[in-house]
Amino acid sequence: DAEITQSPRHKITETGRQVTLACHQTWNHNNMFWYRQDLGHGLRLIHYSYGVQDTNKGEVSDGYSVSRSNTEDLPLTLESAASSQTSVYFCASSPDAYTGELFFGEGSRLTVL
Amino acid sequence: QQQVKQSPQSLIVQKGGISIINCAYENTAFDYFPWYQQFPGKGPALLIAIRPDVSEKKEGRFTISFNKSAKQFSLHIMDSQPGDSATYFCAASKGGNTGKLIFGQGTTLQVKP
Repeated sequence: DAEITQSPRHKITETGRQVTLACHQTWNHNNMFWYRQDLGHGLRLIHYSYGVQDTNKGEVSDGYSVSRSNTEDLPLTLESAASSQTSVYFCASSPDAYTGELFFGEGSRLTVL
Repeated sequence: QQQVKQSPQSLIVQKGGISIINCAYENTAFDYFPWYQQFPGKGPALLIAIRPDVSEKKEGRFTISFNKSAKQFSLHIMDSQPGDSATYFCAASKGGNTGKLIFGQGTTLQVKP
């Protein structure tokens, strides 16, 4: 079955370290998204991509970057992790920007000490 | 202008009862309104969605009611079941985009047997 997988599922890191969260989907979806989920804020869009070599900033992009070198993967990098980036991160993909359902991965819980 | 406000934060309903979750928005450019359901440890999953050309959409026990003039929409869960216990998020987007979503804060629903 096609799916979307995130790794690692749990990570603890220290302030200032670079962290990369992986997202891999096997649906061949062009559109991929990264959201973070925090209590009281729901989910907020960090970055998104509509295809290979395309990346765009979302609502809360400061301190994060993404790259899209192929259709299947959209890794999220925290250049210098901060305690404010402690959160649960969700990757999602959709087949079409205007009619397709958004499919989420199971999340990556990141703790920055 | 970009916010979606969701209430209540938590809700307890008896089995067989009706669960009602409300959302309000300010941006009149929003034209796609989905509801996502999330179980603990899982990613959100699309439950039902509506576009502003209709005032109500029903799928099984789940109904979205949409009031364009009041800029409000709500989720009604009829005959609520313990298996419906989850966190529910409303969301909205512009241009009919199904991936670039502004989420509400979430409602944790507990259905008591």
